[in-house]
Amino acid sequence: DTAVSQTPKYLVTQMGNDKSIKCEQNLGHDTMYWYKQDSKKFLKIMFSYNNKELIINETVPNRFSPKSPDKAHLNLHINSLELGDSAVYFCASSQDLAGGAYNEQFFGPGTRLTVL
Amino acid sequence: GNSVTQMEGPVTLSEEAFLTINCTYTATGYPSLFWYVQYPGEGLQLLLKATKADDKGSNKGFEATYRKETTSFHLEKGSVQVSDSAVYFCALSLGNNRLAFGKGNQVVVIP
Repeated sequence: DTAVSQTPKYLVTQMGNDKSIKCEQNLGHDTMYWYKQDSKKFLKIMFSYNNKELIINETVPNRFSPKSPDKAHLNLHINSLELGDSAVYFCASSQDLAGGAYNEQFFGPGTRLTVL
Repeated sequence: GNSVTQMEGPVTLSEEAFLTINCTYTATGYPSLFWYVQYPGEGLQLLLKATKADDKGSNKGFEATYRKETTSFHLEKGSVQVSDSAVYFCALSLGNNRLAFGKGNQVVVIP
């Protein structure tokens, strides 16, 4: 039933570790995104994939690597975790419309990452 | 660049009060404008949108009008309920599937 799902919902880990967050959408959308929401609720896009190809890559440390095995999945791998990586990470998806017209983005429930 | 500015600080009000959250934007083209809502512990949901000047988006008693002359898209609701307590984000898009979000406003409705 869930349109955009993420696992895990909570992730607590030590500095220096490597972790992954998984995202799946069952809406048949072409485009998927990763957003980071900081403690002040500020939301910023990190990456966007369209049909498994990277189309948006904001200024994000290269410790963050998105991987899209197919257009229904977009996973986020983070190497050498730092304290500042603590945040809520949201996955989203949308249908790519011809002409680049905007279509609604559907968000997952978020993954709260805490780095100790 | 393209950006969205929302009024500072949380908004606390009593049930049945009138709610206004201000949003202004800066854009190089003709953006579509949106309000998203984030309920506690959940992801963002689209609340309403407007794609051209003078359009009014509305949903669940909320309204916002796209004002090109004042570059604004203020959100209003005439009578809020406790269930409207959430964080509200204004956003804009220029049609490339890229959204620019405002900083969000926490709304707390007290019974």
